[in-house]
Amino acid sequence: QQQVKQSPQSLIVQKGGISIINCAYENTAFDYFPWYQQFPGKGPALLIAIRPDVSEKKEGRFTISFNKSAKQFSLHIMDSQPGDSATYFCAARLSGSARQLTFGSGTQLTVLP
Amino acid sequence: SQTIHQWPATLVQPVGSPLSLECTVEGTSNPNLYWYRQAAGRGLQLLFYSVGIGQISSEVPQNLSASRPQDRQFILSSKKLLLSDSGFYLCAWSHSGAYEQYFGPGTRLTVT
Repeated sequence: QQQVKQSPQSLIVQKGGISIINCAYENTAFDYFPWYQQFPGKGPALLIAIRPDVSEKKEGRFTISFNKSAKQFSLHIMDSQPGDSATYFCAARLSGSARQLTFGSGTQLTVLP
Repeated sequence: SQTIHQWPATLVQPVGSPLSLECTVEGTSNPNLYWYRQAAGRGLQLLFYSVGIGQISSEVPQNLSASRPQDRQFILSSKKLLLSDSGFYLCAWSHSGAYEQYFGPGTRLTVT
C-alpha cells in the first residue's frame, strides 16, 4: 500500500514537445509528492513538489498535475529540450513521517534534437 | 546555504572486504539523514535514516549498518561485502520536520 507506480519506463520526445510522466498511489496518508531529476552518475535533484491541497503547480516549463480522487499525479515538461534528457522519479511521503520518501521506479526521458 | 558531501565517489572492493562510506552535511544543524541504494536502472531503496546523533532506523535487513557519530555525519558500513551490495549509494538530508529532501552526489560501489 506504500507503493508508488510510475509510467512509462522510458519516453522519447521530440525537441519542443510535451513530456508527460504519470504516477499513481494507493495510500491516502501520503501528503507530499515531489519529482526528482537525475542525470547519469549524479544524485537526484529536487525538481518540483506538490501538496494534496492543490491540483496544479507550475515552475517554469515544469508542471505537476494532481488528482486527489484518482490518487494520481503527473509531471508535464513543456517545450522539452535535449538538456531535459534524464531519469525522472516521482515520490510520496507519509504524513507525519520523518522516515523517507517512497519512490517510483523512474522514467528515462530522451529528448531528440 | 547547505551542502552535502559524500566520499569516496567511486569504490571497487572485493567480496568479503569491509566498507565505510561517509556523508557530511554543511550549513545546517540537526538534519534528518538518509542512506539510499540505487541498483542499475532501478529506483531508490531506503536503507537507513536518522533523526539525531546515535539514532538509527533500519528499513531493510541486510549486512549493512549505519552510524551517526556527529550531528552532520552519517556513515554506512559493512563488515563483509557481498556481490549484491554493488550499486549507487546516495546520502540525503532534510531539515527536521521539513518535507524537502536533498541528495548528495553519490558513491558508486562495485563489489568484485
